[in-house]
Amino acid sequence: ILTQPHSVSESPGKTVTVSCTGSGGRIGSSYVQWYQQRPGRVPFTLIYEDTHRPSGVPDRFSGSIDSSSNSASLTISGVKTEDEADYYCQSYDGSRVVFGGGTKLTVL
Amino acid sequence: EVQLLESGGGLIQTGGSLRLSCAASGFPFTSYAINWLRQAPGQGLAWVSTITHTGVTFYADSVKGRFSVSRDTSKNTVYLEMTNLRAEDTALYFCARGTRACSTCFEYWGEGTLVSVSS
Repeated sequence: ILTQPHSVSESPGKTVTVSCTGSGGRIGSSYVQWYQQRPGRVPFTLIYEDTHRPSGVPDRFSGSIDSSSNSASLTISGVKTEDEADYYCQSYDGSRVVFGGGTKLTVL
Repeated sequence: EVQLLESGGGLIQTGGSLRLSCAASGFPFTSYAINWLRQAPGQGLAWVSTITHTGVTFYADSVKGRFSVSRDTSKNTVYLEMTNLRAEDTALYFCARGTRACSTCFEYWGEGTLVSVSS
């Protein structure tokens, strides 16, 4: 199971971090991905294989893994109003693909 | 340019069957896994099925025995055969490509096709 905060908020230009905490397994044992979904839009991959950004994704978005807390994080620096969206983490627990419940980012 | 185009969705009665297609282009088809995911109205993302680059298949427990994934390498197309459909299968269905190293790391997504199951 991957647990994300239901919502986070931040002001434009600031940095925000979305956490994804694993339970029932080591989050670092399989890759973690992060997806952005704006309202009414298709999911978009921001981070794959823990830290890699697809071409075209700004380096304002970064992913990291903290094995000590069994969690992954998505950090967005220089937050923009266009970043207002739902963010999902995703991984694999050895037998099935699992998604976090999603975090709604509100840009104040 | 990687492109994934889903088709085949529609309105179907409970217990009915439907076949979705995912036409892929812009990459070597047999080098990557293709996954099916879905999103019910107002809900989060859920994994449905995977067909690996070698053709091995995997399914979520919720669809095992009812859904079947296959591919036609001559058409660069992956299919999701859905039978015994239930109301809870109503969702927007996406196909997504894995990465070279990881079948279930979704790098590219299609636009989706809507499946509505009603009684």
